[in-house]
Amino acid sequence: NAGVTQTPKFQVLKTGQSMTLQCAQDMNHEYMSWYRQDPGMGLRLIHYSVGAGITDQGEVPNGYNVSRSTTEDFPLRLLSAAPSQTSVYFCASSTPRRHTEAFFGQGTRLTVV
Amino acid sequence: GQQVMQIPQYQHVQEGEDFTTYCNSSTTLSNIQWYKQRPGGHPVFLIQLVKSGEVKKQKRLTFQFGEAKKNSSLHITATQTTDVGTYFCAGNQNNNDMRFGAGTRLTVKP
Repeated sequence: NAGVTQTPKFQVLKTGQSMTLQCAQDMNHEYMSWYRQDPGMGLRLIHYSVGAGITDQGEVPNGYNVSRSTTEDFPLRLLSAAPSQTSVYFCASSTPRRHTEAFFGQGTRLTVV
Repeated sequence: GQQVMQIPQYQHVQEGEDFTTYCNSSTTLSNIQWYKQRPGGHPVFLIQLVKSGEVKKQKRLTFQFGEAKKNSSLHITATQTTDVGTYFCAGNQNNNDMRFGAGTRLTVKP
């Protein structure tokens, strides 16, 4: 039972580069979300999805795009990386019933230089 | 918009002492969840509170949800070194996004 899988675990980007953080879950969860974690600021919601084909913005969506073509996958795209996007990124998923336990991936540590 | 504030930001205790972290929302919440994140790890779900005034216990951990459903607390009795980590509350307001507090980092001195 893999749960929520994020790749890569670590990434260094140059300013202006683009990349996609991958997130996949095998629990048939409809709800998936992306958070970034910065020191002293907790987990801030970037984007979320309540099901395939449906996405919405969270607290800090600027500079990020998402799509949800399947129930299993919810990739996060950085269009043009900036040093301010240096952070640890977590993907999470939860069951079809709203507001239940969220399962987190192991995280991706991203550094933009 | 919905804001979830959590205090204190840091707490350092001697092993055996008690620990409490508090969470306050600017709006009424439909439910609140608590998570623990060990150093270098990812958040792991502890519990969910739904009812006004609800109190739940897990061994040495006691969770409370305020009567107005705007605040919550996590209390650990007689801390152990295994309790080290950051504790987060997360609340939502009848919509689809969970808003997390900034977390309380607990360190325990043996």
